[in-house]
Amino acid sequence: EAAVTQSPRNKVTVTGGNVTLSCRQTNSHNYMYWYRQDTGHGLRLIHYSYGAGNLQIGDVPDGYKATRTTQEDFFLLLELASPSQTSLYFCASSADSQNTLYFGAGTRLSVL
Amino acid sequence: GDSVTQTEGQVALSEEDFLTIHCNYSASGYPALFWYVQYPGEGPQFLFRASRDKEKGSSRGFEATYNKETTSFHLQKASVQESDSAVYYCALNYGGSGNKLIFGTGTLLSVKP
Repeated sequence: EAAVTQSPRNKVTVTGGNVTLSCRQTNSHNYMYWYRQDTGHGLRLIHYSYGAGNLQIGDVPDGYKATRTTQEDFFLLLELASPSQTSLYFCASSADSQNTLYFGAGTRLSVL
Repeated sequence: GDSVTQTEGQVALSEEDFLTIHCNYSASGYPALFWYVQYPGEGPQFLFRASRDKEKGSSRGFEATYNKETTSFHLQKASVQESDSAVYYCALNYGGSGNKLIFGTGTLLSVKP
């Protein structure tokens, strides 16, 4: 079973704050993804990566940066957090372009 | 652009009832179609997928058939249990390489004992 671990599980920050969400997967998957989940919108793709050093833009990238430092680690950065970024964030990984996505347990972010 | 529509935001049933959650998609060609399930406090989990017209996907008593003509992939289960209470997401794979998924807005299933 693929293991995807997100940290922190909960985070509160203020408007304009700097936040980093972390994700680590331990199954040597090539692809990693960041989604946000909001009521009425389902899950929306923010950024994704094919491998270390690679970054691809998703469907809702504004206000977010991401970095893939190793095959295992994928970070989501909010450099000037806004209340509209209050959401539940999920990281996921998959072995290749046609494989199942494995999701982490999520990080709940509140921007006050 | 490509999209997925789930018409039911919430479905309330009793145990042993028959379940249908509707999923319609809009996309060119033959996108792969998926169902994911999300239990409280957890991330979504893959349920099953289908990639070709008339292909049936199934898992844990749930099933759906890929219908190109009606652009649908409706989730069904003959007899639901309380433990099936969860949010169900329909999704399609788009964009060629990259395995990017577009998710529907989700359907909350509540099953009373």
